Amino acid sequence: KNQVEQSPQSLIILEGKNCTLQCNYTVSPFSNLRWYKQDTGRGPVSLTIMTFSENTKSNGRYTATLDADTKQSSLHITASQLSDSASYICVVSAGGSGTSYGKLTFGQGTILTVHP
Amino acid sequence: GAGVSQSPRYKVAKRGQDVALRCDPISGHVSLFWYQQALGQGPEFLTYFQNEAQLDKSGLPSDRFFAERPEGSVSTLKIQRTQQEDSAVYLCASSLVGRAANTGELFFGEGSRLTVL
Repeated sequence: KNQVEQSPQSLIILEGKNCTLQCNYTVSPFSNLRWYKQDTGRGPVSLTIMTFSENTKSNGRYTATLDADTKQSSLHITASQLSDSASYICVVSAGGSGTSYGKLTFGQGTILTVHP
Repeated sequence: GAGVSQSPRYKVAKRGQDVALRCDPISGHVSLFWYQQALGQGPEFLTYFQNEAQLDKSGLPSDRFFAERPEGSVSTLKIQRTQQEDSAVYLCASSLVGRAANTGELFFGEGSRLTVL
């Protein structure tokens, strides 16, 4: 079964600090990996999308990395702000053929809390 | 509207009642997805439409769940004879391209929070 595991489950940091969130996946065949930010009571919003040929992608203070060999990704947040408090969800899209193509598997999310 | 719109935002139902949740995708978006998100969990896939065609309904948990998108725009997720385990947030997402394009940006609505008493 395709799975996406994220760690840590939750994280508390002080404003201005950096942090790194981890994602391991077993989705096969792999097509692309996405990171989403979900504020409480809102829908997820896309941060990055990476295909297997990309090993890093940035979006402002967010930098995602991908190692398709070890099936791991990380999301690094630089100089955190109070507004970064949210759930960060790793999502992997399946490749190959057939009905599973393009199907997204979501991780359970990492809840990040930034304190002043 | 500018984004994906879902209604109602909150719904409380007594066990056994039928509910209908509506999704208005971004105009012109081909793909429409429904997800179920339990508290503290990531979204779980329910069903996928490409225009009016329901191409994948493998995630629907039982035959009490039914979704339609008759004119290829607005979609309705219907849950019959609701059970307590149906309590969750139901997210709708749309994409400009078909799922086969695979890297299409997915835009989510705010979700409909269903509580079954």
